[in-house]
Amino acid sequence: SQQGEEDPQALSIQEGENATMNCSYKTSINNLQWYRQNSGRGLVHLILIRSNEREKHSGRLRVTLDTSKKSSSLLITASRAADTASYFCATDRYYNQGGKLIFGQGTELSVKP
Amino acid sequence: EAQVTQNPRYLITVTGKKLTVTCSQNMNHEYMSWYRQDPGLGLRQIYYSMNVEVTDKGDVPEGYKVSRKEKRNFPLILESPSPNQTSLYFCASSFLPLAGAPEQYFGPGTRLTVT
Repeated sequence: SQQGEEDPQALSIQEGENATMNCSYKTSINNLQWYRQNSGRGLVHLILIRSNEREKHSGRLRVTLDTSKKSSSLLITASRAADTASYFCATDRYYNQGGKLIFGQGTELSVKP
Repeated sequence: EAQVTQNPRYLITVTGKKLTVTCSQNMNHEYMSWYRQDPGLGLRQIYYSMNVEVTDKGDVPEGYKVSRKEKRNFPLILESPSPNQTSLYFCASSFLPLAGAPEQYFGPGTRLTVT
């Protein structure tokens, strides 16, 4: 079953606008990660937020985590055409000490110049 | 340069012909994992390994085998490939999980087509 589910599935914005993607999950987690994938290529880690954290920043990225709602959001500010990619959230499960990650289906972001 | 390499990058094969996809990392990571990516299904974990000679099943292990004889290598073996194993495969590695799954480093992917 899907642990992480992203919303929306696809998002199209103009350069300079902000992009917000959401992720919901079902079970308690240790942490939640966001990854980026350019078309057909390997995933690249963007940011990790632990279950005891509520917000984290990295450059133009802002991630929030609401464990009571089992949801997270990724905000990309002042988007650029180069941000065009698919974005995935990945969660582990609290009881699992093996480091097994479960990925959602991803949000496809298109940033038009 | 720190990296995860996979070979081959592209492979077209026929049903039943055994194949191996290699994965190697140069970061001294203990943890390695294989995923497959299919449209509409995201990434699904096939097998993972916590260290040499320690492997375990992920969510979709049927039809696959792995081995971990050396720390840097984690080959994926398809003994008798079938068309439903046509997919994009990724190898990933990381340091050993301590408090939850750590950041994964991904290889460039292997696009496999089984006819």
